[in-house]
Amino acid sequence: EPEVTQTPSHQVTQMGQEVILRCVPISNHLYFYWYRQILGQKVEFLVSFYNNEISEKSEIFDDQFSVERPDGSNFTLKIRSTKLEDSAMYFCASSAPLGQGDGYTFGSGTRLTVV
Amino acid sequence: EDQVTQSPEALRLQEGESSSLNCSYTVSGLRGLFWYRQDPGKGPEFLFTLYSAGEEKEKERLKATLTKKESFLHITAPKPEDSATYLCAVQAFSGGSNYKLTFGKGTLLTVNP
Repeated sequence: EPEVTQTPSHQVTQMGQEVILRCVPISNHLYFYWYRQILGQKVEFLVSFYNNEISEKSEIFDDQFSVERPDGSNFTLKIRSTKLEDSAMYFCASSAPLGQGDGYTFGSGTRLTVV
Repeated sequence: EDQVTQSPEALRLQEGESSSLNCSYTVSGLRGLFWYRQDPGKGPEFLFTLYSAGEEKEKERLKATLTKKESFLHITAPKPEDSATYLCAVQAFSGGSNYKLTFGKGTLLTVNP
């Protein structure tokens, strides 16, 4: 069964450092997303990406965050200067075009710990 | 703003004891209501999508139903391996190319042997 792959599974970084979280979405999906889940809280939408541009972003997704699809397979989330409150599980997801099945699949996540 | 409320927050069952989880939602035009299962430290695992009131879907011991205001996830004769957090999420129609999900806080289900 097709899956969304995320690396690394766990990243520890010092406050103020830049991190890049990587994702390989399902190959025939066209919509890509990042979500995060702070420990004990709900899964929250960060950003959606379609046709090589951001289609929507939440209030959480400020100037410290950016996304990129540098090639035909990878989708990355960059946090420029990490804060303690950025510590969370970050999930990448991808979905098929409307009308082509449910196809909304999440990866296993990257646990980001900012110290 | 889309909102999803799940109840109860936690549910403890004995193996074989059937029950239901509730998901109430408010959304400006529902495209789909999703149920996911999440194990500790893992990503959400897709279970069902429901699109219109009256729709039902089944998978093994799970059955999801949808009305205009809420969805239920019925679990029949649960086993310990059904223990997980069950997440409900809604997806609204939008004019653009965004199909984000809005999640509830989830119901933590524990099934004791």
